[in-house]
Amino acid sequence: DTAVSQTPKYLVTQMGNDKSIKCEQNLGHDTMYWYKQDSKKFLKIMFSYNNKELIINETVPNRFSPKSPDKAHLNLHINSLELGDSAVYFCASSQDRRINNSPLHFGNGTRLTVT
Amino acid sequence: LAKTTQPISMDSYEGQEVNITCSHNNIATNDYITWYQQFPSQGPRFIIQGYKTKVTNEVASLFIPADRKSSTLSLPRVSLSDTAVYYCLVLSGSARQLTFGSGTQLTVLP
Repeated sequence: DTAVSQTPKYLVTQMGNDKSIKCEQNLGHDTMYWYKQDSKKFLKIMFSYNNKELIINETVPNRFSPKSPDKAHLNLHINSLELGDSAVYFCASSQDRRINNSPLHFGNGTRLTVT
Repeated sequence: LAKTTQPISMDSYEGQEVNITCSHNNIATNDYITWYQQFPSQGPRFIIQGYKTKVTNEVASLFIPADRKSSTLSLPRVSLSDTAVYYCLVLSGSARQLTFGSGTQLTVLP
């Protein structure tokens, strides 16, 4: 009964390919996020959706496209993968968009390696 | 946006109390202080949040002085399983605040 689950856990692919990472939460939360964690452990927010509506888009290349079919799912599609995209990608959710009052619940990450 | 500064790493021994301090000199009136814990190969986990004075839960205590320019996460009697990265965030309403810094790597030694 994992609260925030993302698949796959590992993803190895070549430059130029297109790949997707899926995320689902069963907490009944309204808001979902995608984060990128680099080798220095910085966790940088990429996107956030609230009830299927995009509310945060943090200067991410347009090769990255989030899709939220419903409020329990937020998928991340990446086109034309580059070496610099290699990182761990985390999905998270919160009860609502009030970030100072809604703790984030994270998935266990997807380690993307681009060769 | 309030910037946070915390030590890169700390070592402790089992059974000791550990205090991790976070500086946030330009914290704003509406900002809350939030701490997360991250184990290897896992996503961060919310630990505690506070606005002023002291907050305590089953996991940790958070001490915030009157000027709120710093905060201290206190972990009582740590065990080996408390080895993790601890992140301090200052949050009000801006989404950019949701970016975590590099955190503090706490290593608990036997």
